[in-house]
Formats: sequence, C-alpha cells, structure tokens
Amino acid sequence: NAGVMQNPRHLVRRRGQEARLRCSPVKGHSHVYWYRQLPEEGLKFMVYLQKENIIDESGMPKERFSAEFPKEGPSILRIQQVVRGDSAAYFCASSPGQGRTSPLHFGNGTRLTVT
Amino acid sequence: DQQVKQNSPSLSVQEGRISILNCDYTNSMFDYFLWYKKYPAEGPTFLISISSIKDKNEDGRFTVFLNKSAKHLSLHIVPSQPGDSAVYFCAASVSSGATNKLIFGTGTLLAVQP
Repeated sequence: NAGVMQNPRHLVRRRGQEARLRCSPVKGHSHVYWYRQLPEEGLKFMVYLQKENIIDESGMPKERFSAEFPKEGPSILRIQQVVRGDSAAYFCASSPGQGRTSPLHFGNGTRLTVT
Repeated sequence: DQQVKQNSPSLSVQEGRISILNCDYTNSMFDYFLWYKKYPAEGPTFLISISSIKDKNEDGRFTVFLNKSAKHLSLHIVPSQPGDSAVYFCAASVSSGATNKLIFGTGTLLAVQP
C-alpha cells in the first residue's frame, strides 16, 4: 500500500524559472492538501483540492502559484518565475474524506531551492 | 500572527523517563487538536488527536491533555524511547471549515538519550 508519493524530492531552480511539484495521493484518497514549510517555521496551509476542483486556496500567494488535481494523474503545484523566498519544503497530504476524523497522510516533501 | 505556539524549540529527556511537550493557542474557535511527529527528510505522521469536548485522550504511551480555559495542550510520552527522537508539531483546526485545514506550531525537537 503506497503512501503519498511526491516528486521530485529535491528541485533546484534559478530565479525566474518555473517549478512543478507532483503529488500522487494514497490510492482511494480524493482529497489533497498542499503545505509549505519555510526554514525554522511550522507547516503553513496553502490549498485544498478534490478531483478537478479547488476547494480552498486561502493560503496560496496571490501571484505565481497555482494548483490542480486533474481527473487522471497526480496533483500539481506550479510556481512560476520563482524567487529566492520560494525556497522551502513543500508537503502534499491526502485523506479519504473531508472530515477531521480522517487524519492527513503526508508525503516526504519536495525541497525546492532557488538560486 | 502565530495562532499555535510551541515555545520550546527543543527538549532532551533520558530514556525511560517522561517527555512533556507543550503547545499554546490563541484562537478560541479552535476545537480540534492534533500532534504529528516528523523525522528528518520525511513528512509528518499523525500521532494522536483530541476534540475540545474532552480533556484527555490516551493511546498507548502517548497521552494528550487539553486545558481549554488556559488554551493549552500537552503531549506526554511515557516511557520515552530513543526512537521517539523527532520533531513534534502541534496542530489545530476549527469546525466551521469541516476540513483538514490545519494550523501548525513551529515544532519541538525531542531528543531521547539512551
């Protein structure tokens, strides 16, 4: 039973390039969350998606960031024109339902470094 | 605006003794609390949770206590084992969202000395 799979594990981008982070949820889970952890900080909620729908994107920066969870394939977090402040660990999590009795299952994260 | 605070960045405990990790929150709307454990280069894993209608929840060596009037919760691990060495995150949510949108603290690094 595979858990949440994120790739790549490490991603290095130059300022101005695009970063694409992928997340395959636990099989059967249709709810996906993205969190970001900046150095020395806790995880910060970014966006909550269900298949083909963005449910809550209140934690997403207004510009350059977008997320999708298509009917087929992994969820994608896309960061356009990256800046040094985007360097962080990005964690994806999934759950079978939206209720709080379904704890989140986290992936091992993608560590983005912007040079 | 840190709504969930873990004021101790680190804690060192001897194997076999009790570990107590603390967490304070400011938002009185929070009504569900969780603890996650995180090893280096891995994602957080769920440990234990508590609803605001309770003041204690126990699961094996792990017990979470909630003091709503003080807006404080704590995680007790007894007896502590070297494998418990990790970063522990406290998290909270509000019922109105009915989702897993969690607010995390900054974490406490627990080191259990053999």
